[in-house]
Amino acid sequence: DTAVSQTPKYLVTQMGNDKSIKCEQNLGHDTMYWYKQDSKKFLKIMFSYNNKELIINETVPNRFSPKSPDKAHLNLHINSLELGDSAVYFCASSPTGGYEKLFFGSGTQLSVL
Amino acid sequence: KQEVTQIPAALSVPEGENLVLNCSFTDSAIYNLQWFRQDPGKGLTSLLLIQSSQREQTSGRLNASLDKSSGRSTLYIAASQPGDSATYLCAVFSGYSTLTFGKGTMLLVSP
Repeated sequence: DTAVSQTPKYLVTQMGNDKSIKCEQNLGHDTMYWYKQDSKKFLKIMFSYNNKELIINETVPNRFSPKSPDKAHLNLHINSLELGDSAVYFCASSPTGGYEKLFFGSGTQLSVL
Repeated sequence: KQEVTQIPAALSVPEGENLVLNCSFTDSAIYNLQWFRQDPGKGLTSLLLIQSSQREQTSGRLNASLDKSSGRSTLYIAASQPGDSATYLCAVFSGYSTLTFGKGTMLLVSP
């Protein structure tokens, strides 16, 4: 009964491949996010969705495409992976968009070789 | 543009000590501030959330204070335990559905 679950936990792939990371929350929250944590452990927002609608897109390359089929799911698809995409990607959710506590998934460690 | 700084970057203390982690932010126009804990290989857990109108929040051995006008927050951990070892991150919410995070303080509590 994990609140925010994301899969896979680890993803190792070659440059140029396309991959997806899935995220689901069972908290009934309206807002979901993708964050990227780089090698220096700095967490930065990538996307924010509220009720399936894109709210924030923080200058992320268009190789990254989020998709929200319903408000409980926010998947991240990455095309033409590059070495610099290697990082930990975290999914998170909050009730209405930042005014309350955020709940994070356990992260997906992406390694591009 | 909001920037969040955490000092120190790393801290090592013996078990039982009381300690203070510091967080500062450049733009005082915030709605709230959260302190998170991150364990290796795991996600973040929200520890305390302080609304901009509040001065402090407490949960068990943790106490977080907020001085919005000076752009500062502290996380006080009383009677530290080895299980407190983790990275502690501070994040401020300035609107538009996004948090701005600091780089964290890595805490090691030795038995």
